[in-house]
Amino acid sequence: SQQGEEDPQALSIQEGENATMNCSYKTSINNLQWYRQNSGRGLVHLILIRSNEREKHSGRLRVTLDTSKKSSSLLITASRAADTASYFCATHTNQAGTALIFGKGTTLSVSS
Amino acid sequence: EADIYQTPRYLVIGTGKKITLECSQTMGHDKMYWYQQDPGMELHLIHYSYGVNSTEKGDLSSESTVSRIRTEHFPLTLESARPSHTSQYLCASSELAASYNEQFFGPGTRLTVL
Repeated sequence: SQQGEEDPQALSIQEGENATMNCSYKTSINNLQWYRQNSGRGLVHLILIRSNEREKHSGRLRVTLDTSKKSSSLLITASRAADTASYFCATHTNQAGTALIFGKGTTLSVSS
Repeated sequence: EADIYQTPRYLVIGTGKKITLECSQTMGHDKMYWYQQDPGMELHLIHYSYGVNSTEKGDLSSESTVSRIRTEHFPLTLESARPSHTSQYLCASSELAASYNEQFFGPGTRLTVL
């Protein structure tokens, strides 16, 4: 069964606005990761947050993790047209061993 | 330059043909993975490997097979392609020793079976 579920499925904003994407998951995790995928390309790792962390920053990215609610959010501040892509959360659990379980993704469109 | 490569990038082929999708990485990673992704959908793990001579099936049942004879190379083979195999195939790798399991992805192979 699917572990991660992103919300919303699609998001359209103007340049300069902030974009927030949410991810919910079902089982206990080791860590949660966010990836970006440009159309027709492979995924690029953005940021990882461990289960004992609550917030993490990387440039214009801010990730939060609430293990009690089994949810995470990705905030992109001051968005740019180049941020247009699909964003996936992926969870790493002890049961999964080496595997990451990906959600369906949020498609972000940033217009100039 | 350390990277992960996939060839071909695009493949259109007829039903019944045997195909091999290539994946190579120059990062010295022990773990390698194959995912299948339909347009606008999530990634599904179909195969993975911990190292040379190690191969495991993933969550999604697949008629494909893989081999791991060399650390850097993890090819995926379909013995007889069918239209249901039309999809994007993504290869990834990660360090064996790392507990956090950050994965590095290739650009993908978009397969169309007519």
